[in-house]
Amino acid sequence: NAGVTQTPKFRILKIGQSMTLQCTQDMNHNYMYWYRQDPGMGLKLIYYSVGAGITDKGEVPNGYNVSRSTTEDFPLRLELAAPSQTSVYFCASTSKLGLAGTGELFFGEGSRLTVL
Amino acid sequence: GESVGLHLPTLSVQEGDNSIINCAYSNSASDYFIWYKQESGKGPQFIIDIRSNMDKRQGQRVTVLLNKTVKHLSLQIAATQPGDSAVYFCAEEGGRRALTFGSGTRLQVQP
Repeated sequence: NAGVTQTPKFRILKIGQSMTLQCTQDMNHNYMYWYRQDPGMGLKLIYYSVGAGITDKGEVPNGYNVSRSTTEDFPLRLELAAPSQTSVYFCASTSKLGLAGTGELFFGEGSRLTVL
Repeated sequence: GESVGLHLPTLSVQEGDNSIINCAYSNSASDYFIWYKQESGKGPQFIIDIRSNMDKRQGQRVTVLLNKTVKHLSLQIAATQPGDSAVYFCAEEGGRRALTFGSGTRLQVQP
């Protein structure tokens, strides 16, 4: 069981370049999330989705876009990369978050992005 | 790999001692709280959760205490082991179907 798989694991971008971070999960989870984690900080929510075709902004959505065309995949698109987007990006999924569900998010191993 | 906790507050304990990690939250509407553990170079892992109608919940070697009056959460780890060394995050869910994470505490276990 692969769980949550993120690619690439490492990437260096030049300022102004664009790229897509891929995330796929094989647990048939409806809820998927993208967080970023800067050194010495907690995780900040970028975007999330509660099902195919539904996406919502988190705390720090500027400079990013997402889509959710299937239950399995939740790619994160960076347009016009900036040094401020240098971070570790984590994708996570769960069946249903909250009191009626669970608080357990399953995280990928992270994608380390550097923008120079 | 690169550390994600370079500037985090650090709790240093001796192996076998009990550890207490604290967290203050700000959203009065939050009704569900979770603790996560993050080892170096990995994604966070779920440890234990607690609902707002409870003030204490126990797991295997871990206990979470919730004080809603002062908006404070703590994680107690009994008989701390070297494998417990990690960064610990509290998280809260306030009805928006996403978790808000705290800034984290690094736990260092001295042999």
